[in-house]
Amino acid sequence: GNSVTQMEGPVTLSEEAFLTINCTYTATGYPSLFWYVQYPGEGLQLLLKATKADDKGSNKGFEATYRKETTSFHLEKGSVQVSDSAVYFCALSDPGGYQKVTFGTGTKLQVIP
Amino acid sequence: DTGVSQNPRHKITKRGQNVTFRCDPISEHNRLYWYRQTLGQGPEFLTYFQNEAQLEKSRLLSDRFSAERPKGSFSTLEIQRTEQGDSAMYLCASSLEGTLGAEAFFGQGTRLTVV
Repeated sequence: GNSVTQMEGPVTLSEEAFLTINCTYTATGYPSLFWYVQYPGEGLQLLLKATKADDKGSNKGFEATYRKETTSFHLEKGSVQVSDSAVYFCALSDPGGYQKVTFGTGTKLQVIP
Repeated sequence: DTGVSQNPRHKITKRGQNVTFRCDPISEHNRLYWYRQTLGQGPEFLTYFQNEAQLEKSRLLSDRFSAERPKGSFSTLEIQRTEQGDSAMYLCASSLEGTLGAEAFFGQGTRLTVV
């Protein structure tokens, strides 16, 4: 079945540091890939997505590129802020059918001033 | 539209009691999903509705769990004879059929504590 593996946290960074959160997936076909973010006390929100190989999703300074050859979708940001502190979930949706979303276990990011 | 709404936000119940949660999806969304999230884990799929039809149920959904979506609008998730292992955040999401990579919009969840 489909699965998502992402690096374990927590990740602690100083403000303005470079962020990478690794994510790899297993799926048949060509799933759509997502990064969701969960800020403290809030619900899951879509951060960015990519629907086909070599697509780059971007939002709020975050980027991730759909790499089919390495089955990866790593999340990056050049300069993190304290407000980026949250839990980040890598996810994929079924390439066919009704697009059920499968999530990774989440990576907690803490950015300190 | 204010997004996906879930009620109640918190529920504390005694072991053995029945509980029911409600989800109101975004009005034009015909796909509705229930997920369960435990501490330190990602959401796990429970069940899916397309309009009023329940098309898939996860093995996580034991016989004590039942979900409905009458008339293809709001949905309810009922847990009978609750157990301590049922304590978790129950998330509802909705999306619109037909768009590749369609975003699933999540509610804020119902946190269940079984004591």
